[in-house]
Amino acid sequence: NAGVTQTPKFRVLKTGQSMTLLCAQDMNHEYMYWYRQDPGMGLRLIHYSVGEGTTAKGEVPDGYNVSRLKKQNFLLGLESAAPSQTSVYFCASSYTGTAEAFFGQGTRLTVV
Amino acid sequence: GESVGLHLPTLSVQEGDNSIINCAYSNSASDYFIWYKQESGKGPQFIIDIRSNMDKRQGQRVTVLLNKTVKHLSLQIAATQPGDSAVYFCAEASLGGTSYGKLTFGQGTILTVHP
Repeated sequence: NAGVTQTPKFRVLKTGQSMTLLCAQDMNHEYMYWYRQDPGMGLRLIHYSVGEGTTAKGEVPDGYNVSRLKKQNFLLGLESAAPSQTSVYFCASSYTGTAEAFFGQGTRLTVV
Repeated sequence: GESVGLHLPTLSVQEGDNSIINCAYSNSASDYFIWYKQESGKGPQFIIDIRSNMDKRQGQRVTVLLNKTVKHLSLQIAATQPGDSAVYFCAEASLGGTSYGKLTFGQGTILTVHP
């Protein structure tokens, strides 16, 4: 049982480059989330999805876009990366909005 | 805006002691609360949750207490072990309304257990 899988695990981008982070879950969960975690801070919600084809903004959505074309996948896109987007990104999924969320191992992104 | 915060950023205890980690929340619409543990280099892991119609819930060596009057949440760990050393986060969500499904985390408390 793979749970929540994030790819890639590490990435270095140059300012202005674009990239997509992929999150895949095999638990048939409806809800999926993207968070970023900066040193000394908690997880801040970027975007989330309450079901296939739906997305919603979290606390810090600017500079990011997401898509949930398939139930099992939640993609996070950076159109034009900035150094302020250097962070560790976590994806999570849950069966409902008030159930245990399962997290991936994180993607460490550095923008230079 | 609404936020979830923690009183103590760090907590050091001796092995075998009981630990108490606190969390204050400000969103009165939140009615579901969760504690997560995050070990270095890993994603957060669920510990225990509680709904707003309860004031106490117990798990294996852990107890969560909810005081809605003062918007305070705490996690008690009994007989703390070195393996409990991690960062602990509280999180909140709403059972309804426009924020349904929005899981918001607090800053985190670093728990260090000394042998």
